Amino acid sequence: EVQVVESGGGLVQPGGSLRLSCAASGFIFSSYWMTWVRQVPGKGLEWVASIKQDGSQKYYVDSLKGRFTVSRDNTKNSLYLQMNSLRAEDTAVYYCAGGGAFDIWGQGTMVTVSS
Amino acid sequence: VIWMTQSPSLLSASTGDRVTISCRMSQGISSYLAWYQQKPGKAPELLIYAASTLQSGVPSRFSGSGSGTDFTLTISCLQSEDFATYYCQQYYSFPRTFGQGTKVEIK
Repeated sequence: EVQVVESGGGLVQPGGSLRLSCAASGFIFSSYWMTWVRQVPGKGLEWVASIKQDGSQKYYVDSLKGRFTVSRDNTKNSLYLQMNSLRAEDTAVYYCAGGGAFDIWGQGTMVTVSS
Repeated sequence: VIWMTQSPSLLSASTGDRVTISCRMSQGISSYLAWYQQKPGKAPELLIYAASTLQSGVPSRFSGSGSGTDFTLTISCLQSEDFATYYCQQYYSFPRTFGQGTKVEIK
């Protein structure tokens, strides 16, 4: 079964850090662009970052201003999102997605930034 | 940045209706457009990619059309399970962008 499972979300104080993980199975992970998408509860979808199959290219939404870093480990079939200097506006459900068009989605992990 | 205008934001319809959702780009994206369906509390699901190609397992009442800057998602005969929110998304260039979403609700 093709699936991706996110983990690592939780409650963090403003200015804190969090590392999200996405474990992939059932498909050739190393052949897929991988992406993080977030969604503030009740709002629309926002693309956050994407990484090429071999990790050689990474793209981010401009509003992050360098606070987040996407990475992957193809030996572990895993995708990561290191989030630093977190702000209240980063509070959202974070989804891991695979493909050029995103044909693989995880169930999401909630990140809450609050004091 | 490619800006997307998705309309309408809210669509009230009845079971059996034919509904259309529009997505307009600020610049041409060839056919690099996808449509997603999202139900409350769930992750989005891919319905259509390459503007008009139905994802495996998606019912044939869903169809997509368009190229360049103007795209349309059509549901030919709305079923109860189709009441959800729909998003368009371009994957022609970075940053990837999503439309604002269209909530299809029961009239």
